[in-house]
Order: sequence, then structure tokens, then C-alpha cells
Amino acid sequence: DTEVTQTPKHLVMGMTNKKSLKCEQHMGHRAMYWYKQKAKKPPELMFVYSYEKLSINESVPSRFSPECPNSSLLNLHLHALQPEDSALYLCASSQEGRDSNQPQHFGDGTRLSIL
Amino acid sequence: GESVGLHLPTLSVQEGDNSIINCAYSNSASDYFIWYKQESGKGPQFIIDIRSNMDKRQGQRVTVLLNKTVKHLSLQIAATQPGDSAVYFCAENRKNGGFKTIFGAGTRLFVKA
Repeated sequence: DTEVTQTPKHLVMGMTNKKSLKCEQHMGHRAMYWYKQKAKKPPELMFVYSYEKLSINESVPSRFSPECPNSSLLNLHLHALQPEDSALYLCASSQEGRDSNQPQHFGDGTRLSIL
Repeated sequence: GESVGLHLPTLSVQEGDNSIINCAYSNSASDYFIWYKQESGKGPQFIIDIRSNMDKRQGQRVTVLLNKTVKHLSLQIAATQPGDSAVYFCAENRKNGGFKTIFGAGTRLFVKA
């Protein structure tokens, strides 16, 4: 079992819906990440939070809105998505400190389908 | 395009043989490299990492080699087992206001029994 928990595992939504993806970790990690992964492709970084503050936004469209309510939780709010946004969305966390070169711990993702 | 990539998209090995998965990178400023394993329906799982001040690191049945001269990274798996079948990604940490991680294209490893 992974130490990073993502819910839901699967989500089907229409283009006009609003939904949220949730991620939780209790390893005390202070860096958290959202990735998008299309089939047969590597994960692509979307957002990085460090100490609950957004530190990297990889020019992600505003229909994706991240939120970090506390050090254990990371949300990704979805609104007016397009069919091409269908993908596996992965959450990850890592230790953060003076040495930011730490491996990331991934959840098993939310499989998102946009109708 | 991305500078972290792999030489072979698929690799098929016989159970018990050693596997070698290769990766090239182009950013000489990168100072941290990671190998992840992703099984079907799962998220990537950390295997082993190496910092740029090292050229070799060993784990349990796995060894990572780093050649900074030619910007090449490899993962060696000893005595490959059916459970090693997965997609393997190399990843590179670049300093970009927070250590952004870039993943390579991935290699699918098939282990034949």
C-alpha cells in the first residue's frame, strides 16, 4: 500500500462539472506535487507546493486550481475541463529542507475521464 | 523537447538474467537523478537515486551508474524476476526555484519466465 492516498481512484465528469481530486500524506513531508500522466507517457509536473505555498506552476490552465489546506492535504479543483484533460493525475510528496534533492513518494493516482 | 530520455522503449529479458536500462540527459546543471518503477495501475515507486558527486550507487539487486562526461545514467537489475516487469523512468532534478523533477520517456521491461 502507498503512503500517499488519493481519492477518488476513478472519476468521470462532464465538461461543465466541478469536481475535486484529493491527496493525503502523513509522512510529515512539506513538499507536495501534482502530475498529469497520459497513457504510455511519463508524468508531467503541474504544481509544486512547499510549506503549503505554491512554488511552481508549470503554466497549467486555470481550469485546474490547486489548493493546499494544510501540510498533509493537497487538492486539485477541476472546472470546465476538456476531453484532452482525460489522464491519470498523480499526487506525490517529499521531504523539504535545506537539501531539496529527495525522492518523491507517489499515490496511485486518480483516473479522470472527461465526457 | 525534454532532455531526459531513454535509448530503448522496451526491453525483454529472460528471468534470472541481468537487465540494463539506459537514460540520457542534457542538462549538466542537474545534480540529482532518480529511478522510478511504475507497475500497471500504480503510481511510480522510488527505486534508487544518485547525486552528481557520485558515479555509482548500489541497492538491493539494483545499481545505478552515472557518467557525467557523456551525460548518461543506467539502471542495472541483477537476477531479474517476473515481479520486475514494469515501466522504468529515470528522472532528473533541475534547480528551478524549487527543484523541478523532469521524467524521461520510460522503458518497459518484460521478464520472460
